[in-house]
Amino acid sequence: GQQLNQSPQSMFIQEGEDVSMNCTSSSIFNTWLWYKQEPGEGPVLLIALYKAGELTSNGRLTAQFGITRKDSFLNISASIPSDVGIYFCAGRGGATNKLIFGTGTLLAVQP
Amino acid sequence: GAVVSQHPSRVICKSGTSVKIECRSLDFQATTMFWYRQFPKQSLMLMATSNEGSKATYEQGVEKDKFLINHASLTLSTLTVTSAHPEDSSFYICSANPGTAGETQYFGPGTRLLVL
Repeated sequence: GQQLNQSPQSMFIQEGEDVSMNCTSSSIFNTWLWYKQEPGEGPVLLIALYKAGELTSNGRLTAQFGITRKDSFLNISASIPSDVGIYFCAGRGGATNKLIFGTGTLLAVQP
Repeated sequence: GAVVSQHPSRVICKSGTSVKIECRSLDFQATTMFWYRQFPKQSLMLMATSNEGSKATYEQGVEKDKFLINHASLTLSTLTVTSAHPEDSSFYICSANPGTAGETQYFGPGTRLLVL
């Protein structure tokens, strides 16, 4: 199935550092969603973006819908140990209007 | 946010048996639910779209006779893995979209299937 390109694949950082990850697509999306998944659990929605250029925050998380509608990024400020997990972007658009997932970014935070 | 539940959370079965997984939207109605499969260290791959009152739509490469989907009500969709084999062992996750939340999609906690 189709997937989005998400980078980086993994990040190992110190507590307190800021984190940035992004997703790119070859096709235009109408919606970008960012999820966090912890081991053995389903993805939990973090931020939803619906308009090109939209910048939305949720606590220490900030995400933007790229103006080209082909990319999105997620920033986490002042990371803490509980931020550990796999972060997925997901986009919806095009003829099928299905939700397509990125390849995921594994985040590890060392106290 | 909207709540989606799944049952069971994990199941172990013998090869050749069938396993049913339930997906429920607890605080909203969903005319459409989605079934994903996730193998270890991989992303979520859409298997099929479950439509209340009509046939499910399967993604390319997903066998409809092996993965039976029934969307009997606006709050319940079931996925039955028929004649399960070890290669069907995976993490199965459902999701649903409450219409009032735009295009947002909420996921269940997943079901871990192990076929021996």
